[in-house]
Amino acid sequence: DTGVSQNPRHKITKRGQNVTFRCDPISEHNRLYWYRQTLGQGPEFLTYFQNEAQLEKSRLLSDRFSAERPKGSFSTLEIQRTEQGDSAMYLCASSDPGQGEKLFFGSGTQLSVL
Amino acid sequence: AQRVTQPEKLLSVFKGAPVELKCNYSYSGSPELFWYVQYSRQRLQLLLRHISRESIKGFTADLNKGETSFHLKKPFAQEEDSAMYYCALSAGLTDSWGKLQFGAGTQVVVTP
Repeated sequence: DTGVSQNPRHKITKRGQNVTFRCDPISEHNRLYWYRQTLGQGPEFLTYFQNEAQLEKSRLLSDRFSAERPKGSFSTLEIQRTEQGDSAMYLCASSDPGQGEKLFFGSGTQLSVL
Repeated sequence: AQRVTQPEKLLSVFKGAPVELKCNYSYSGSPELFWYVQYSRQRLQLLLRHISRESIKGFTADLNKGETSFHLKKPFAQEEDSAMYYCALSAGLTDSWGKLQFGAGTQVVVTP
């Protein structure tokens, strides 16, 4: 296992288009998190799953954002009708509560909305 | 509301000099505090957490509840310490400890 995997690494899209990102967590990690990071800022929490259940969504997350983890393994984050303000690095992290409070982050997907 | 403040965007130190990264937080309960680090071209990774009271790569951090601070310290900086450092806070609840509030980060540059 090489850690948390995110695809694609980079995504360039035009305003108004839909995009989808994928995250493959470390196998057997039952918790999966999505964060967003803009230039000069720290990561900002978006949402998280325990197995296939989405337990919390940030109030900052607009209705254009949706995340799924259908089988409790990989997760997808979809952004509909993208806006320029959506341009950011989208980070995924996974954890196993049995290993303590440690998040393992992926390399992220850099989204640029033109 | 939770808030994490890292007042220094950039910290430049000489190799062998002490380094201290400041982190202040606001939270009404009993938070858990972390330091995450991102080396050049690498992923964000956990450096240390206050609950473990451990020293990692020579770094230590003490939670000061009176001053609501969690400063990161190392007595002798090394060139390999050059990285971006983020202080992060969790509400400490079992169900949401992975929901972190990050500071804006401090870029550390260690020069020979």
